[in-house]
Amino acid sequence: ELKVEQNPLFLSMQEGKNYTIYCNYSTTSDRLYWYRQDPGKSLESLFVLLSNGAVKQEGRLMASLDTKARLSTLHITAAVHDLSATYFCAVDGQAGTALIFGKGTTLSVSS
Amino acid sequence: GAGVSQSPSNKVTEKGKDVELRCDPISGHTALYWYRQSLGQGLEFLIYFQGNSAPDKSGLPSDRFSAERTGGSVSTLTIQRTQQEDSAVYLCASSYNRVPDTQYFGPGTRLTVL
Repeated sequence: ELKVEQNPLFLSMQEGKNYTIYCNYSTTSDRLYWYRQDPGKSLESLFVLLSNGAVKQEGRLMASLDTKARLSTLHITAAVHDLSATYFCAVDGQAGTALIFGKGTTLSVSS
Repeated sequence: GAGVSQSPSNKVTEKGKDVELRCDPISGHTALYWYRQSLGQGLEFLIYFQGNSAPDKSGLPSDRFSAERTGGSVSTLTIQRTQQEDSAVYLCASSYNRVPDTQYFGPGTRLTVL
């Protein structure tokens, strides 16, 4: 059974601090997706990582992919309150149709 | 441009009633997906459409759930004889083509079964 595991599931951070969210998956997928969800809102695509070693950055967020280790990381630099949200990673399902999501990491940034 | 839209945004129904949820994907997107998001279960895949056909229905939890897509555009998810465990947010997503294209999600329909 394909599994996608994120940790931590809950993260409380102070503004200005750095932290990393980890996403482990059990398939041999070469692609990994990161989404953000604000409370009561839908999912917003953040990054699509398409190959081993891929690194993408947007503002204070940087995502990377190591397909050999089946691991992706989402690094947060100098957190600000606006980053408070739930972050999901996802991989391609084995049928090549749906995405399989992790349970999400709920990030809370406080001053 | 216009994103994925869903209606209604909220639906409260009584146990045993049938409900229909609608999804209007981004124009030109051939692939359409339905997911369900509930506490404790995370995001679960329900069904995938390519055009009007549904080659992957593996996520539908029971035969009370069905979906159709017409004209390669609008899709309707129907839940018959709703149960309390059907309460969740139902999310629709579309992509230009099938995975690995980025899926764009709609705002969801929050279904509450009393």
